[in-house]
Amino acid sequence: AQSVSQHNHHVILSEAASLELGCNYSYGGTVNLFWYVQYPGQHLQLLLKYFSGDPLVKGIKGFEAEFIKSKFSFNLRKPSVQWSDTAEYFCAVNALVANNLFFGTGTRLTVIP
Amino acid sequence: DSGVTQTPKHLITATGQRVTLRCSPRSGDLSVYWYQQSLDQGLQFLIQYYNGEERAKGNILERFSAQQFPDLHSELNLSSLELGDSALYFCASSSDRAGGYTFGSGTRLTVV
Repeated sequence: AQSVSQHNHHVILSEAASLELGCNYSYGGTVNLFWYVQYPGQHLQLLLKYFSGDPLVKGIKGFEAEFIKSKFSFNLRKPSVQWSDTAEYFCAVNALVANNLFFGTGTRLTVIP
Repeated sequence: DSGVTQTPKHLITATGQRVTLRCSPRSGDLSVYWYQQSLDQGLQFLIQYYNGEERAKGNILERFSAQQFPDLHSELNLSSLELGDSALYFCASSSDRAGGYTFGSGTRLTVV
């Protein structure tokens, strides 16, 4: 069975600090990987996705993620966070043989101005 | 606006009651997914429909059921409601796995 682990439950950073949110998944086959963001009171929005090719994926709003197959990881990064990045971030995995996305429990990011 | 429409946005109902949540997928998307988001359990996949047929089932209780109609809109029926059913219910749609899912704004259900 698939599972997704996000080890950081709540991260607090000051503006301009660098961000890295961890995501590990357990599934031995081929997967598609996603990061979604949920701003307070809003729906989930796609930040970026990885299917194949270059393991370093660039998304919207300056976010990027790196797929490391040997570590089953897909960590999200941003060099310099802004107050507006305050939100909850969800990593998700879709095995090619499955019909749905499995989400991690989410990481709440609070950016202090 | 993501293109996925969910109604109602908020719903307050009493225990034991039955409610119906509605989702209209993004134009052209054949798949509809239902998720439940609660504070203690995170985002849980409930069920998926593809072009009117049930495709996958997740952690959906027997008290819950769903269907997708010929016009591709979907309804999630929750019956014999309990306090623990209070949550945000999200609908998402997709055309295929490659595009990821597009989520609606959710229905916040409060059972009192």
